[in-house]
Amino acid sequence: GAVVSQHPSRVICKSGTSVKIECRSLDFQATTMFWYRQFPKKSLMLMATSNEGSKATYEQGVEKDKFLINHASLTLSTLTVTSAHPEDSSFYICSAKKGLAGEGQFFGPGTRLTVL
Amino acid sequence: AQSVTQLDSHVSVSEGTPVLLRCNYSSSYSPSLFWYVQHPNKGLQLLLKYTSAATLVKGINGFEAEFKKSETSFHLTKPSAHMSDAAEYFCVVNDPTKTSYDKVIFGPGTSLSVIP
Repeated sequence: GAVVSQHPSRVICKSGTSVKIECRSLDFQATTMFWYRQFPKKSLMLMATSNEGSKATYEQGVEKDKFLINHASLTLSTLTVTSAHPEDSSFYICSAKKGLAGEGQFFGPGTRLTVL
Repeated sequence: AQSVTQLDSHVSVSEGTPVLLRCNYSSSYSPSLFWYVQHPNKGLQLLLKYTSAATLVKGINGFEAEFKKSETSFHLTKPSAHMSDAAEYFCVVNDPTKTSYDKVIFGPGTSLSVIP
């Protein structure tokens, strides 16, 4: 199997606070994980590529100081939304790469973030 | 540069009739192609994938897709729609080059409605 989990599934926070989202590969090791953001009725937008033991690679336009990514182990990557604002409210989805190139990614169930 | 086009943002079919969701891609390399389904407020589920083996790919829930290199297409079909098929469908292309860390590119999505 190739199961990816995310925690929490849903979070509501106040503006100005920080929120951490965890992404775990449950039954395989993932040297590379990806973080996506999805706006309502829109497609997924890649935010960053997270590599175990090294700094994340951010896509153009994504603030690295705003969205902190840590890939501390082969089964865990975290995304921290710092000083969250209402415009950060979104559906955040992680994925993990398994195996050889071209096999694609396995996606987590997503985290719904609402910033009040 | 790679890109994915899903020509129809919304498709509506009657229950029991065939489903056709169109996808065209552009890629400089031999791509891997995927179809994912997303039900409301849920994560992504892999329907099927093409990775340079058989051009006709069978997936879960009765879906299949045919890779046509000459047409740069990877259309998704199902002979008979079921109410539970109503969801958002994403066509995804994978660039298996080393420098891209196996990134994927999402199409804009097609919303499928099934009329009873």
